[in-house]
Amino acid sequence: QKEVEQDPGPLSVPEGAIVSLNCTYSNSAFQYFMWYRQYSRKGPELLMYTYSSGNKEDGRFTAQVDKSSKYISLFIRDSQPSDSATYLCALRFTGNQFYFGTGTSLTVIP
Amino acid sequence: GAVVSQHPSWVICKSGTSVKIECRSLDFQATTMFWYRQFPKQSLMLMATSNEGSKATYEQGVEKDKFLINHASLTLSTLTVTSAHPEDSSFYICSARGLEYTQYFGPGTRLTVL
Repeated sequence: QKEVEQDPGPLSVPEGAIVSLNCTYSNSAFQYFMWYRQYSRKGPELLMYTYSSGNKEDGRFTAQVDKSSKYISLFIRDSQPSDSATYLCALRFTGNQFYFGTGTSLTVIP
Repeated sequence: GAVVSQHPSWVICKSGTSVKIECRSLDFQATTMFWYRQFPKQSLMLMATSNEGSKATYEQGVEKDKFLINHASLTLSTLTVTSAHPEDSSFYICSARGLEYTQYFGPGTRLTVL
């Protein structure tokens, strides 16, 4: 079983829709949770970072962590065509070892 | 803040030659940097973790003699692909660990070996 599971999609939504992206994980020792956005042929860009259960909001983005269910989500409100990208979740214990999801490809249709 | 640059952004080389890729943290010091490889439509594959002033730690299956990593300063790490072959063609991305225990990625380097 992989440490982190992420549905690869692709996910296609109309402009203005609310997008929900999810990852599940198996090890309850993960403490730090991140979401990255990667445009084609570019490096990933950090979107959200949290280390506790609950919600964290930044503009149109909300990161949600449910440690009891080992489930993390990224919500995008009022999605825009510029949000079309691949979204990667990343988890970390302590130390340097990061675990990345495989990424979900999102297309927002104008 | 937390900007990471990579140079070059793309490179084409002949088979058998060596290519060096630089990764710099521009506005913060990074004791730890990471090198990844990414194939089209696939996720990141960690190649190695480099710590400033010490030898890099390579992931299983990554040839350390082929992918030479040097982390000589707190803002610079280099990856040298030695005796490159067409199968080494890929997108190479570096990242630097910031103070907030996350990773900040460079824009990537596309390597094509003819």
